[in-house]
Amino acid sequence: QQQVKQSPQSLIVQKGGISIINCAYENTAFDYFPWYQQFPGKGPALLIAIRPDVSEKKEGRFTISFNKSAKQFSLHIMDSQPGDSATYFCAASRRDTGNQFYFGTGTSLTVIP
Amino acid sequence: KAGVTQTPRYLIKTRGQQVTLSCSPISGHRSVSWYQQTPGQGLQFLFEYFSETQRNKGNFPGRFSGRQFSNSRSEMNVSTLELGDSALYLCASSSYLTSKETQYFGPGTRLLVL
Repeated sequence: QQQVKQSPQSLIVQKGGISIINCAYENTAFDYFPWYQQFPGKGPALLIAIRPDVSEKKEGRFTISFNKSAKQFSLHIMDSQPGDSATYFCAASRRDTGNQFYFGTGTSLTVIP
Repeated sequence: KAGVTQTPRYLIKTRGQQVTLSCSPISGHRSVSWYQQTPGQGLQFLFEYFSETQRNKGNFPGRFSGRQFSNSRSEMNVSTLELGDSALYLCASSSYLTSKETQYFGPGTRLLVL
């Protein structure tokens, strides 16, 4: 059973556009929601993360929007660049299970020049 | 500071064999987690070790095991390999058991089972 549902599976965006990836969860015990970026042949790299006590977090061109009541969170990439082309994973972690993360199925983002 | 290192980077094995993968965490990190990544199932948690003890375990059969040494280096072992074990095995290290913000992944070991 997929604990974190991610959509879309793939996304094509023009350079300069906004990329939006969505995730949803059911388990209210989750207390940490990171987004990871993965390039081919590399391990996932932490991009940005949020805890449920805030509704938005911004770091440079990357923003997480968090809706606790809807149990949804999303990643917005502003001014998307070809170098952003990668696979993005959302994840969630519970406060009582250490560093165990439940990952979404991933979104392959392609930014075309 | 050096990142998480995993060896070997690539492995080819045949069904029925066993394999051992190694992970060296970031210096000072004491928690090591292992994940299996496949196109069909995505990233799935295998187990986490902290202070040489397994602290959390995912939903994998007993053929998958691991251990952690006193210097925080970790190994995972898969016995009686099956074709479905072909995957990228990722190791991640964190400062402590609850320091999620400091979790960093290694480049992975690509295992192919023939």
